[in-house]
Amino acid sequence: QKEVEQNSGPLSVPEGAIASLNCTYSDRGSQSFFWYRQYSGKSPELIMSIYSNGDKEDGRFTAQLNKASQYVSLLIRDSQPSDSATYLCFGSGTYKYIFGTGTRLKVLA
Amino acid sequence: GAGVSQTPSNKVTEKGKYVELRCDPISGHTALYWYRQSLGQGPEFLIYFQGTGAADDSGLPNDRFFAVRPEGSVSTLKIQRTERGDSAVYLCASSLIGGAEAFFGQGTRLTVV
Repeated sequence: QKEVEQNSGPLSVPEGAIASLNCTYSDRGSQSFFWYRQYSGKSPELIMSIYSNGDKEDGRFTAQLNKASQYVSLLIRDSQPSDSATYLCFGSGTYKYIFGTGTRLKVLA
Repeated sequence: GAGVSQTPSNKVTEKGKYVELRCDPISGHTALYWYRQSLGQGPEFLIYFQGTGAADDSGLPNDRFFAVRPEGSVSTLKIQRTERGDSAVYLCASSLIGGAEAFFGQGTRLTVV
């Protein structure tokens, strides 16, 4: 079983809709969770971090963490074409940051 | 420095040659990570340094790969006897401490011909 699993997509949403990205993890020791955005040909860029159960909001982004169910999600409200990218999540169970394969998001204008 | 710096940005080498890739982390960051990313894949963990020591090198694919961080700052990833399958983008990231937010450099694109 992979340590982090994501649906590779592509996930297509119309402009202005909510995009929902999900990630499950196997290491119950993971304490910190991060969402990165990666544009084609570019390096991953940190967009959200979450450390405790519940929701964390930052602008159009909301990260949700459920440690009991071992999943973390990212909601993007009012999706824009510029949000089209691959979104990567990972947890830092043993400080060895393991990425999922990423979910490719396409926001259709 | 202001961000993580990786050099060179591109490297083309012949099969069988030795290459070194350099990573200069954000000043004061004690944790440093190396990843390898192939087209269409997520970053693949290679090695994690905490200070000068390799805290976890379980991602290094074989003994042709080696990394050092002698003074706890700059790190060098070394690849011996390169093979075409080593062609990828090599990413470096650093964080203040292990478990904290990590920031990535722009990567080194390695092409083995």
